[in-house]
Amino acid sequence: DAGVTQSPTHLIKTRGQQVTLRCSPKSGHDTVSWYQQALGQGPQFIFQYYEEEERQRGNFPDRFSGHQFPNYSSELNVNALLLGDSALYLCASSLLVGGGQANEKLFFGSGTQLSVL
Amino acid sequence: DAKTTQPTSMDCAEGRAANLPCNHSTISGNEYVYWYRQIHSQGPQYIIHGLKNNETNEMASLIITEDRKSSTLILPHATLRDTAVYYCIVKMDSNYQLIWGAGTKLIIKP
Repeated sequence: DAGVTQSPTHLIKTRGQQVTLRCSPKSGHDTVSWYQQALGQGPQFIFQYYEEEERQRGNFPDRFSGHQFPNYSSELNVNALLLGDSALYLCASSLLVGGGQANEKLFFGSGTQLSVL
Repeated sequence: DAKTTQPTSMDCAEGRAANLPCNHSTISGNEYVYWYRQIHSQGPQYIIHGLKNNETNEMASLIITEDRKSSTLILPHATLRDTAVYYCIVKMDSNYQLIWGAGTKLIIKP
């Protein structure tokens, strides 16, 4: 059973460019969350997608957008890249355990390391 | 901001129990305590979570104090592969996001 897969694993872009990161959730999962992790820090929540809609968004500008497809896979798009967008971007899919939003555990991919030059 | 406080780093001898403390003194009644860990160059891995009662699974035990203001994650027989950053997180039932702090860097020594 494949876990959460992300592509590409590494990416180098220049300021002002646009980037698309991709995520396939764990089999049977229907919810995808995206996190940004700067070096030496904990992950920061970007947004979560469920049933092809953005369900909740963290404190990130509109340059960060996403999409979820009918097969539950997801994309994260970042426009007008800044140097500060350099980070590890993590995708996580959810498994509901026992029902209820709090009873979920996230399965993470290995991330996409984005470098903006 | 993260609602938890953890030591920056800890050491533990291989084969011994590793006890990782977490303070969450402002936790509310409907917030769960979650623990994740992140091994270098990998995505975070779920360990365990709980509300009031102590919990145990194949990876670890979670001990939550009666007033719920603190908890301890116990790895019963630490191995070198348990070297990682361990994150303690409180999460509200109605909230979809996890708010992460800096975590505890646990180093298992042979």
